[in-house]
Amino acid sequence: EAEVAQSPRYKITEKSQAVAFWCDPISGHATLYWYRQILGQGPELLVQFQDESVVDDSQLPKDRFSAERLKGVDSTLKIQPAELGDSAMYLCASSLGLDSSYEEQYFGPGTRLTVT
Amino acid sequence: AQSVSQHNHHVILSEAASLELGCNYSYGGTVNLFWYVQYPGQHLQLLLKYFSGDPLVKGIKGFEAEFIKSKFSFNLRKPSVQWSDTAEYFCAVILSGSARQLTFGSGTQLTVLP
Repeated sequence: EAEVAQSPRYKITEKSQAVAFWCDPISGHATLYWYRQILGQGPELLVQFQDESVVDDSQLPKDRFSAERLKGVDSTLKIQPAELGDSAMYLCASSLGLDSSYEEQYFGPGTRLTVT
Repeated sequence: AQSVSQHNHHVILSEAASLELGCNYSYGGTVNLFWYVQYPGQHLQLLLKYFSGDPLVKGIKGFEAEFIKSKFSFNLRKPSVQWSDTAEYFCAVILSGSARQLTFGSGTQLTVLP
């Protein structure tokens, strides 16, 4: 069964360092989402792509976060510089992206970030 | 701002007990409603969804949920839980016109004791 791949699974970094996460969606999925899940809370959408274009990045802290999906396939989420409050699980999800109505989102295993 | 509220942060039940997890949303327009589950060490996965029609929807593994529009609620139920139902459960909504964006509740950790 096709899955969303994410790497690394765990990342420990020091405050003020740069960190990057990678996501490979299910083949053929045009829509890609990055979520942040703080411990004890539900996932919150950071950015949504349709192919290589950003659909919504209104919740992305753009002073330190950036996301790209240059060829419309895999995607990278970067944080520079990392702050203590960025410690969280970063989830990637994808969906077919063919319809304006709901399509099931398939989630990856996430990257657990700890900032020290 | 629109939000999703899950009333219980942690629920502990014995096997064979009945389960009901509460979910309320604050939005007056059209919504699509979902329950996701995350088993220990596994990915978030869809449990069930409501779009329209019969407000009682059935999902995988014997779960069901009832949409009560007047109460802005979408509670999850299972008549008899099993140890394997131990997981974290998230209620989520998509607001009409929101480009398929999910808004999640804070989750309920269910622990089923054997």
